[in-house]
Amino acid sequence: EVQLVESGGGLVQPGGSLRLSCAASGFTVSSSYMSWVRQAPGKGLEWVSFIYAGGSTYYADSVKGRFTISRDNSKNTLYLQMTSLSGEDTAVYYCARSVDVVDGMDVWGQGTTVAVSS
Amino acid sequence: DIQMTQSPSTLSASVGDRVTITCRASQSVDKWLAWYQQKPGKAPKLLISRASTLWSGVPSRFSGTGSETEFTLTISSLQPDDFATYYCQHYESYPGTFGQGTKVEIK
Repeated sequence: EVQLVESGGGLVQPGGSLRLSCAASGFTVSSSYMSWVRQAPGKGLEWVSFIYAGGSTYYADSVKGRFTISRDNSKNTLYLQMTSLSGEDTAVYYCARSVDVVDGMDVWGQGTTVAVSS
Repeated sequence: DIQMTQSPSTLSASVGDRVTITCRASQSVDKWLAWYQQKPGKAPKLLISRASTLWSGVPSRFSGTGSETEFTLTISSLQPDDFATYYCQHYESYPGTFGQGTKVEIK
């Protein structure tokens, strides 16, 4: 079964760091196009970051310089390293797959919650 | 960055109604547009890719049309399971911006 399972969310103080993980099964992360999307409480979806199968990465302006997307091919896992967190980063974070760069995101994780508060 | 604007923000409809949601891009995104359905507390679900390609497993009452800057999602006969929030998203470039969402409510 094709599946994504996120972990690593939690409560963190402003200015802190957190690393989210997204474990994939049923397909290979390294040959897919992977994204992180977040949703603040009561708000819409916000695209955060993307990594091509070839390794190129892209970020939303709101997280550029603070967040880093990466993957561990041996673990078939996607990561999002988040630093300098603020209340505006409080959200449910989803990882998602695009089977091809010309298609939308067809497989999503269940989401992991990040709360930034003192 | 390309901005995506959906209308309406909220839509009240009855089972069996034909429903249309519009998504406009601030500049051309060619056909690189997807539609998603999201229910409360759940992850989004891909409905339409490349503006008009029905994704596998999605009921045929859903359809997408459009290109460049104007797109529509149509539900031909609204079913109880369709009450949800719908988002468009372009992926012509990065950031792949989402629309603000359209909530389809029971009338």
